[in-house]
Amino acid sequence: EVQLVESGGGLVQPGRSLRLSCSASGFTFGDYIMGWVRQAPGKGLEWVGLIRSKAYGETTEFAASVKDRFTILRDDSKSIAYLQMNSLKTEDTAVYYCGRVGYIAGSGVTDYWGQGTLVTVSS
Amino acid sequence: DIQMTQSPSSLSASVGDRVTITCRASQGINNNLAWYQQKPGKAPKSLIYAASNLQSGVPSRFSGSGSGTDFTLTISSLQPEDFATYYCQQFYTFPPTFGGGTKVDIK
Repeated sequence: EVQLVESGGGLVQPGRSLRLSCSASGFTFGDYIMGWVRQAPGKGLEWVGLIRSKAYGETTEFAASVKDRFTILRDDSKSIAYLQMNSLKTEDTAVYYCGRVGYIAGSGVTDYWGQGTLVTVSS
Repeated sequence: DIQMTQSPSSLSASVGDRVTITCRASQGINNNLAWYQQKPGKAPKSLIYAASNLQSGVPSRFSGSGSGTDFTLTISSLQPEDFATYYCQQFYTFPPTFGGGTKVDIK
């Protein structure tokens, strides 16, 4: 059974950093793209970024709103993906979800999601 | 960025109703579209990928169609557990943008 569990959320002051973790099990982690999506309170889903597998150079893509502030790393030996968030802003307050991204029938999809972790940026 | 526009933003329906949600892309995305269901306080759940393919375990009352710029998600006979918010997402190009969501509630 595929499971994704996020951790590391909490209250952080503007301008500070926070690192979220996504622990995976039930599949060959190293074969998959891992992504992050966030949801501000009462709002819709916003794509944050993703990291490709080692076979594709572990390259990353980010939304413009977080580019140059957020990075994504992965540790395939531990089956963990990380979202490193720097220079946090109040508008980064959201529930952050990690997800497994598959490309099936020529199209991408986040086929499994974690339960989410809340990040609150406030002074 | 490709803009994804869902309509309606909300709807009220009864158990047994046929429900159709539309998603329009600001430019052609072939069939690179996914649909998700989200219930309050829960993570999204994948329903459909590549516009019309049902994820494993998703009831057959859900179906998706479309290609290019116009897509639909149809629930053939609404069940109590289907009351939720539905999102489309394009994966044709980065960033993979979401629609604004359609909330389906009880009439």
